[in-house]
Amino acid sequence: QVQLQESGPGLVKPSQTLSLTCTVSGGSISSNTYYWNWIRQHPGKGLEWIGYIYYSGSTYYNPSLKSRVTISVDMSKNQFSLKVSSVTAADTAVYYCATSTALDYFDYWGQGTLVTVSS
Amino acid sequence: QSVLTQPPSVSGAPGQRVVISCTGSSSNIGAGSDVHWYQLLPGTAPKVLIHGNNNRPSGVPDRFSGTKSGTSASLAITGLQAEDEADYYCQSYDTSLSHWVFGGGTKVTVL
Repeated sequence: QVQLQESGPGLVKPSQTLSLTCTVSGGSISSNTYYWNWIRQHPGKGLEWIGYIYYSGSTYYNPSLKSRVTISVDMSKNQFSLKVSSVTAADTAVYYCATSTALDYFDYWGQGTLVTVSS
Repeated sequence: QSVLTQPPSVSGAPGQRVVISCTGSSSNIGAGSDVHWYQLLPGTAPKVLIHGNNNRPSGVPDRFSGTKSGTSASLAITGLQAEDEADYYCQSYDTSLSHWVFGGGTKVTVL
């Protein structure tokens, strides 16, 4: 069973870059079974899909965030990462990493990590 | 504003049945996109309860069931238990936006 764990700074200053890492255990990030996703939840609000990376390195991002988001993979560490540039308070959220397959749902999730954007 | 609309809260006494609605449009649920449901508890990893409209992963109690019709879907919880107190989210794929979308979430309270 795949397990995911997010890590990264809990506080980021406005205009800086938010960087998070998701460590994968119980499965290989080089598997062609899964898409590796990032999803976030703004305080008191619903979930928002951010984007995914596939083992081949191909990525797909939410068009509303595409200009500021980069997702990359480090196969040697079995990790994938999220970068969001030029953050504002609107980027304050709990960030989750999650897997999905061709069935279009998110089957494994991390516990989430709260990132606050504040000076 | 979430693309899929859910009631902010529902409540019920232990043993009762509650239903959470998820209303979409012709570009997501109505377009034939499957609906999936998740349970979120504070400090824990979200858990998929229903996938593909009405399929329960192994380990999910049969108290949870899903239906889909037209541009809407529903999650029913029968025999409500205290441990079911959580936030529930629906999810689908929007063909106009070309990405996955979620509902705003529904908080279930066990009275």
